[in-house]
Amino acid sequence: EAGVVQSPRYKIIEKKQPVAFWCNPISGHNTLYWYRQNLGQGPELLIRYENEEAVDDSQLPKDRFSAERLKGVDSTLKIQPAELGDSAVYLCASSLVLEQYFGPGTRLTVT
Amino acid sequence: QQQVKQSPQSLIVQKGGIPIINCAYENTAFDYFPWYQQFPGKGPALLIAIRPDVSEKKEGRFTISFNKSAKQFSLHIMDSQPGDSATYFCAASKSGGSNYKLTFGKGTLLTVNP
Repeated sequence: EAGVVQSPRYKIIEKKQPVAFWCNPISGHNTLYWYRQNLGQGPELLIRYENEEAVDDSQLPKDRFSAERLKGVDSTLKIQPAELGDSAVYLCASSLVLEQYFGPGTRLTVT
Repeated sequence: QQQVKQSPQSLIVQKGGIPIINCAYENTAFDYFPWYQQFPGKGPALLIAIRPDVSEKKEGRFTISFNKSAKQFSLHIMDSQPGDSATYFCAASKSGGSNYKLTFGKGTLLTVNP
């Protein structure tokens, strides 16, 4: 069974530029999560989807971050404009019930 | 407010040793406690998880011990191998309804020397 797929794996952009990350969850997993992991820290939830609905986006900086999950499968996380402090690994995870399975992440560097 | 405190920050053991990583939580509503293993450049991988109705769970060389009254849980790795060298994260969440938000500890960097 294929795991969570994310792309790109690495992204380097200049500050104030836009960037987007894509996630394809494990087949059949209705719940999808986006996390941000800063260096030396554990992942922190940004947003959680149940099918197409964002049921928890309380930690998403809505002034510059946006996300969508069309048709309840793939999801895209966007940052516009990016700031230096956005440099981190962006992880996507999916679950059927409790157990969350993570993708490899996208390492974002903002210069 | 850090709801899950993990220690130690780093740990070095010899091959065959038994590293122990500890976590403490504050929210008594938490009832699901997973451990994740993360290698450099990879996403966290679910290792083992426990619910508070048991005090211990073992899967292969990995064991979780859980102390509900102390609000603490720990990961033991038996017969550790160099391939176990990774960062380990504990986490906690409430289950049921729409409360599957995992709160992670800050991680423990484990090094197993050959």
